Amino acid sequence: AQRVTQPEKLLSVFKGAPVELKCNYSYSGSPELFWYVQYSRQRLQLLLRHISRESIKGFTADLNKGETSFHLKKPFAQEEDSAMYYCALSPLYGGATNKLIFGTGTLLAVQP
Amino acid sequence: EAQVTQNPRYLITVTGKKLTVTCSQNMNHEYMSWYRQDPGLGLRQIYYSMNVEVTDKGDVPEGYKVSRKEKRNFPLILESPSPNQTSLYFCASSPLLAGDGGTDTQYFGPGTRLTVL
Repeated sequence: AQRVTQPEKLLSVFKGAPVELKCNYSYSGSPELFWYVQYSRQRLQLLLRHISRESIKGFTADLNKGETSFHLKKPFAQEEDSAMYYCALSPLYGGATNKLIFGTGTLLAVQP
Repeated sequence: EAQVTQNPRYLITVTGKKLTVTCSQNMNHEYMSWYRQDPGLGLRQIYYSMNVEVTDKGDVPEGYKVSRKEKRNFPLILESPSPNQTSLYFCASSPLLAGDGGTDTQYFGPGTRLTVL
């Protein structure tokens, strides 16, 4: 079964501390992985895609196929990073289907 | 401004009273989708559409209908709402393919908070 697991409902860190939001997935093929973010009172928006290998707002994520993980990392957290973060998987059936399977989300709270 | 709009943003209704939540996008996207967001369950796909007149079920389609008569609009219809459909609903759209051949970014609407009494 296709599944995305985010084990932490809440992650609280202090400003300047490193951040790692965990994401594990279950999928037999080669998925595409994403991180979406929802800031307070804003709509859900893409943070990064693994296929493009971009670093957005200082966040990076490496796809580890051996461990089936796609953890989101940032070396120094900022207060404006406080938001709900969703890991998502898009299964590829020999072409794009655009289907996104979301994890349950992790609320990141960055304390001053 | 390129965006996805949903109406209404908030709705309180009673069991059995048919309702429609509209979704419209102005980015000429082929793909549109509806999700519901529930505490502890994340976002789950209800229905999606790859293009005009092409719709298919997502993971939780029971109790919902959709239509795609025009490329820009993708309304969600609840023929006989029940309390278990109380949720936060999101519409999203995207191109079918990104420039690199992968799945492209999905653009989300602001959400519709539905309460069924």
